[in-house]
Amino acid sequence: QKEVEQNSGPLSVPEGAIASLNCTYSDRGSQSFFWYRQYSGKSPELIMFIYSNGDKEDGRFTAQLNKASQYVSLLIRDSQPSDSATYLCAVKGNTDKLIFGTGTRLQVFP
Amino acid sequence: EPEVTQTPSHQVTQMGQEVILRCVPISNHLYFYWYRQILGQKVEFLVSFYNNEISEKSEIFDDQFSVERPDGSNFTLKIRSTKLEDSAMYFCASSPQGAGGELFFGEGSRLTVL
Repeated sequence: QKEVEQNSGPLSVPEGAIASLNCTYSDRGSQSFFWYRQYSGKSPELIMFIYSNGDKEDGRFTAQLNKASQYVSLLIRDSQPSDSATYLCAVKGNTDKLIFGTGTRLQVFP
Repeated sequence: EPEVTQTPSHQVTQMGQEVILRCVPISNHLYFYWYRQILGQKVEFLVSFYNNEISEKSEIFDDQFSVERPDGSNFTLKIRSTKLEDSAMYFCASSPQGAGGELFFGEGSRLTVL
């Protein structure tokens, strides 16, 4: 069974701090890695994707991928209360589907 | 901005009844998906659909489930005989390039089976 694991949290950080979210996956053949944000009662929306080892930055967000360790992370700099949501790690293997983790709930307090 | 639309937003049904959830994907997208999320649990893949046929389905997607693209714009999920455990949020998603790129999710249809 191909799994994506995340700490469910909540992860609480003060406004302006860096939030670090982590994810591990079991399928070594995984090709594409995604971070989605899901507000309570809403649908997932894409924050970032990463395909290659290393870091990828987009504004306040940085995704990091280490395929050897089967590890993906998301850093959110200058966290804002509006970033409070559940962050879903999703992984695509060699078929046309995403496998989601359970998500990490992030709380940014003023 | 184009979006995926889903109807109904909420449906309550009795166990054993048939339910049809409807989705209008973004018009130039070619890949369509149904996912579900039981309250408090992870988003789970149900089925992917491309070129008018199912490309992949999960173990959840058993004989009680079916999908259809009846008219070139709608994409439907039918649950033939609902069970209590089918209660969940059902998300439709579409993509121009498959799951290797961004999936655009609809707002979801909440199904409550009594």
